[in-house]
Amino acid sequence: GENVEQHPSTLSVQEGDSAVIKCTYSDSASNYFPWYKQELGKGPQLIIDIRSNVGEKKDQRIAVTLNKTAKHFSLHITETQPEDSAVYFCAADSGYALNFGKGTSLLVTP
Amino acid sequence: SAVISQKPSRDICQRGTSLTIQCQVDSQVTMMFWYRQQPGQSLTLIATANQGSEATYESGFVIDKFPISRPNLTFSTLTVSNMSPEDSSIYLCSVDGGGNTEAFFGQGTRLTVV
Repeated sequence: GENVEQHPSTLSVQEGDSAVIKCTYSDSASNYFPWYKQELGKGPQLIIDIRSNVGEKKDQRIAVTLNKTAKHFSLHITETQPEDSAVYFCAADSGYALNFGKGTSLLVTP
Repeated sequence: SAVISQKPSRDICQRGTSLTIQCQVDSQVTMMFWYRQQPGQSLTLIATANQGSEATYESGFVIDKFPISRPNLTFSTLTVSNMSPEDSSIYLCSVDGGGNTEAFFGQGTRLTVV
């Protein structure tokens, strides 16, 4: 089955700096790659996604890049703010459900 | 989009008992998914529930331990049976728009077994 690896597991940055989280996947048939943000006590919420026909997608301070050949995709958050502090999960579709990475706990310090 | 209401939001249960978690969606959906998120861990798919058929369980999960109902296109339940402390987790239900579109999650049920 699909295996999604995510790094780093924890990340601490100063407010205003950039944060990058990287994921790799194993199933070459995967073609949908969402990123979720999970705040304490809440369910995961989609923040950005990318499909295999696109190499990069940007939404304000958040961008995602995809390299299908290498089977890796990354989340980039620029100008980080304290409210960006949360756990972030990458995922790849398995055809009928999503397989999630282990998560990155991001801490943005003022 | 879909709004998912999940109940209860949290519970503390005695070992050996069972808990049923309810998931209500504000629109009709074909597939509903149940995930488990152990403390500090990622989301692991338990099973996929389609209306009108038996749920499909992932490796490591069995119907006797996690029976699922799907009586209509907007509702599902997951029961955690004969609980032990190892079942302490967050349980999440999810739906998607189909065709590799956004997945929506309930707020989760935080279960503690003592």
